[in-house]
Formats: sequence, C-alpha cells, structure tokens
Amino acid sequence: AQKVTQAQTEISVVEKEDVTLDCVYETRDTTYYLFWYKQPPSGELVFLIRRNSFDEQNEISGRYSWNFQKSTSSFNFTITASQVVDSAVYFCALSEAQGSGGGADGLTFGKGTHLIIQP
Amino acid sequence: DVKVTQSSRYLVKRTGEKVFLECVQDMDHENMFWYRQDPGLGLRLIYFSYDVKMKEKGDIPEGYSVSREKKERFSLILESASTNQTSMYLCASSVLAGNSYNEQFFGPGTRLTVL
Repeated sequence: AQKVTQAQTEISVVEKEDVTLDCVYETRDTTYYLFWYKQPPSGELVFLIRRNSFDEQNEISGRYSWNFQKSTSSFNFTITASQVVDSAVYFCALSEAQGSGGGADGLTFGKGTHLIIQP
Repeated sequence: DVKVTQSSRYLVKRTGEKVFLECVQDMDHENMFWYRQDPGLGLRLIYFSYDVKMKEKGDIPEGYSVSREKKERFSLILESASTNQTSMYLCASSVLAGNSYNEQFFGPGTRLTVL
C-alpha cells in the first residue's frame, strides 16, 4: 500500500528565512507520480507541482524548488526568502500509475505541514 | 480558467438527515473525486468516478454513496448523517490521462457539521 509521511506538523519561521518541507513516500510501484499542493486559509487546494518517478531532475519555480530523490524516497519542497503570503498548509501526495488508469484513482495525501511565516 | 464549484461552503444538518453535497466542474474532465479532510488526518478519498454513471470506492466509503448522472456533476450522499461525518468535504476533478496521471483541481470545500 502506498503511504506519504510529512513528519513536520507545523513550522514557524520569520519572513525572508528559507524553509524546507519534508515528504517521504512509500510505494511498491516503479511508476508513480508525486504532487505538492498548497492550502491557504481560504481552504481551496492549489496545485504546485507534479513529478513522475522517471524524472529525478530538481525543479525551480521562482522562490520554490523541489528536490526529488528516489534513493531516499523523498520529495522535499523548499521556499527561499519566505513571505507572509506563503503561510498555508502544504500537502504532499502520491499516486501509483496502475489501477483504473487514466489518472482516475485518487491521490494518497500526507497529513500536511502547517507553515507559519511571521512578519 | 479551471473551475470546480461546490454547492455550499457551510452546512449544518441533524443526525439522521439525508445530506446531498453537490460538485460541478466546467472543464469537461472525465475524473471526479470526493475527499474528506480532518485535522491531523489530511485528506482521505471517499469515492471517485472516471465516467458518467461509473463509481469506485476510495479508502473510506462507509456511510457514503455517490451519483454521477452527468459528466460535469458529482454528488456525495450521506444517507443518514452521523456526528462522525462532521468534516470538510473537498471535491476534485482531473482530465483523463492515458498512461499518465494529471493533477487534480479542487473546489473550495464544504464544511459540514452534523448535530
């Protein structure tokens, strides 16, 4: 069975600090997809990134970067120079590629990390 | 712009009532999902559907049923609401992806309280 662990329940940093959110996953599949979502106080989940298991290249998007390491089954998310608007709950999620196919199976989410950026 | 809407942001019902949560997406997506979100538990999949009139159980289907009569609409039904179904309910949709897996787009959520 697949599993996603976000060991950090809550992180609090001061604005402009860098912060890394950890995500460790478990799956028996060789083909799978990893995601990060942001849930601001308004409640709506916002998609941030998708990564498939064949692509271990790190990705950078502005102040956001992701480090995918299959050897440690981790997909960590770093925010550089954090801002108050980054305050949210962040979820890491996993899907295996088998099953119904076509992406119809649901995602397995971690429990989320509540990130607090203090001004 | 991608849009998933849910019929209510907040809902209060009594134990034993039949409750309908509606979700509509305007993106012509084939796949639709219902999750519930509880503090400390993250999101858990209740049911999903990959086509009209098709449905599949997720991880926690007990006490729930679903209906998908039209492609754009996916309803979650609580046949007899109980207090342990007090939760935030999130609907999502995604496009059929072949051998891949595309991201899901989420609605704003319905916070249901069962008294």
